Amino acid sequence: SAVISQKPSRDICQRGTSLTIQCQVDSQVTMMFWYRQQPGQSLTLIATANQGSEATYESGFVIDKFPISRPNLTFSTLTVSNMSPEDSSIYLCSVGERDTQYFGPGTRLTVL
Amino acid sequence: EDKVVQSPLSLVVHEGDTVTLNCSYEVTNFRSLLWYKQEKKAPTFLFMLTSSGIEKKSGRLSSILDKKELFSILNITATQTGDSAVYLCAVLSGGSNYKLTFGKGTLLTVNP
Repeated sequence: SAVISQKPSRDICQRGTSLTIQCQVDSQVTMMFWYRQQPGQSLTLIATANQGSEATYESGFVIDKFPISRPNLTFSTLTVSNMSPEDSSIYLCSVGERDTQYFGPGTRLTVL
Repeated sequence: EDKVVQSPLSLVVHEGDTVTLNCSYEVTNFRSLLWYKQEKKAPTFLFMLTSSGIEKKSGRLSSILDKKELFSILNITATQTGDSAVYLCAVLSGGSNYKLTFGKGTLLTVNP
């Protein structure tokens, strides 16, 4: 399976600021995804990161709040914009391979 | 709307016990059912199941899928304290709506 890395591993941010999370994969992959896991909850899909076109967002998530870039088949970024304490979560990128998805190590975000 | 239900939500056992975790689902365009173990941030992949009745095994863990009754079980024999984690069941649906839907997870605590 692909090896996935994420940066930063964790961060503490002030409300109103923005944070960009990077996801790097060691091989070219067609499908990349971004998930959020709020405290005590399961994983929720934010969007599918499409290479060369705009991301596809799930209901309840919008591009202005969570802009995503996918410049090539090995890299993607997720920005959490104008943060509030409710954005405190673990953010995870994943890649799809055949009928499976593998996850990166995650970014733990705390917003004060 | 796709739905994945796990039971029990939490479970406390003693080392050496055998546990069975349950996952039922309702999805359109089923592709696969996935089990993950989540200890800190990142879910780590355990099993992918696509066919009914074929048991997948990895050491003390095993899993099976019933596509007629729409459920799967994850068994852990001779549990160890290192098995303590949240176990996530997820179902991948395909077609134009390629999406991974997660259950809420089962929190397993193994006491020495």
